[in-house]
Amino acid sequence: KQEVTQIPAALSVPEGENLVLNCSFTDSAIYNLQWFRQDPGKGLTSLLLIQSSQREQTSGRLNASLDKSSGRSTLYIAASQPGDSATYLCAVPHSGYSTLTFGKGTMLLVSP
Amino acid sequence: DTGVSQNPRHKITKRGQNVTFRCDPISEHNRLYWYRQTLGQGPEFLTYFQNEAQLEKSRLLSDRFSAERPKGSFSTLEIQRTEQGDSAMYLCASSAAPGGPMGGYTFGSGTRLTVV
Repeated sequence: KQEVTQIPAALSVPEGENLVLNCSFTDSAIYNLQWFRQDPGKGLTSLLLIQSSQREQTSGRLNASLDKSSGRSTLYIAASQPGDSATYLCAVPHSGYSTLTFGKGTMLLVSP
Repeated sequence: DTGVSQNPRHKITKRGQNVTFRCDPISEHNRLYWYRQTLGQGPEFLTYFQNEAQLEKSRLLSDRFSAERPKGSFSTLEIQRTEQGDSAMYLCASSAAPGGPMGGYTFGSGTRLTVV
């Protein structure tokens, strides 16, 4: 059974800091890994999708890396802003894309 | 097509009542998924459809839950005889089949259910 763990569970930083969110998974036979953002009481917004053949993906100030062999992914946020405050979730699909297994998320607070 | 749409956004119901939620996926996506999320947890898989066929159901989906996707378009999730433990955010997502845009999922804004 795939298990996804996210560390830290919560993070509070001052504006402008660079930060790293961690995601680990137990079954390395994944097709891809997806990072999502969730604002309080809202749905999920896809941030980055990394295919198993890729090492990293970048979108603006966000950079996600994937190391399948070690079962790890990191989400790097550069020059954090208060608007980045949200919960960040990583998820991996089971074989055949039938389901996603999520971590519990990292709750990020960026203070002005 | 503006993404995955879910209705209603919020639903408050009394224990024992039936509720139904609707999800309209991205029109090009033939896979549709339902997830449930409780406070402080990641979303948990409930069920998914490929076109109109319901291909997998989680053990979380008790007999009081039923989902349909007539004609492979929108989907409904019905909960009968609601219990307080059903209070959660119900999320719908869609994706292309494997081999499409590499399996990325698009989620809707969710339906927040409160059972009182």
